[in-house]
Amino acid sequence: RKEVEQDPGPFNVPEGATVAFNCTYSNSASQSFFWYRQDCRKEPKLLMSVYSSGNEDGRFTAQLNRASQYISLLIRDSKLSDSATYLCVVNLSGGGATNKLIFGTGTLLAVQP
Amino acid sequence: DAGVIQSPRHEVTEMGQEVTLRCKPISGHDYLFWYRQTMMRGLELLIYFNNNVPIDDSGMPEDRFSAKMPNASFSTLKIQPSEPRDSAVYFCASTLNGGADIQYFGAGTRLSVL
Repeated sequence: RKEVEQDPGPFNVPEGATVAFNCTYSNSASQSFFWYRQDCRKEPKLLMSVYSSGNEDGRFTAQLNRASQYISLLIRDSKLSDSATYLCVVNLSGGGATNKLIFGTGTLLAVQP
Repeated sequence: DAGVIQSPRHEVTEMGQEVTLRCKPISGHDYLFWYRQTMMRGLELLIYFNNNVPIDDSGMPEDRFSAKMPNASFSTLKIQPSEPRDSAVYFCASTLNGGADIQYFGAGTRLSVL
């Protein structure tokens, strides 16, 4: 089983739609969680951290379910500029693995006009 | 700050040649990471340094790969000899406080081994 699993997509949605991405992780000791965004032929960039209580940043909402080892990202009122690959990222804290980020393979979002 | 700087941006070489990728982290960042990204395997951590010391190189695929960080502002990833299966995008990233912190990526080096 992969350490971080995501649906690769693509998700093709019209402008204005709401879209949700899910991610599962295998190691229950994971402590930090992130969503990164990667545009085509560009480097990954942090979109948002994911906190236990859930958090929102404008049109983006991230949620964490530790019991199910599940992370989600919700994008409301999607824009053409949201088209990108969204990477689910997990950090295993404690012991020698503190500083390693494990990246999912990403979910491709294509917002259509 | 200019961000993480990688060079070259593109590298095309023939099988068997030595390839050296370079990275300049953000000034003041204590951690430097080397990643490889392919369509099949996604983004994989190869090695990371803390204060110029290699901490975990368990992701380095084999002895053909080596990485150094001679000082706080420079790191290299070397492949010798290169093989076609090494073709990928190689990213360098740096961060201030390790894995719990934001990682800032360079623009990457797109390597093609013919």
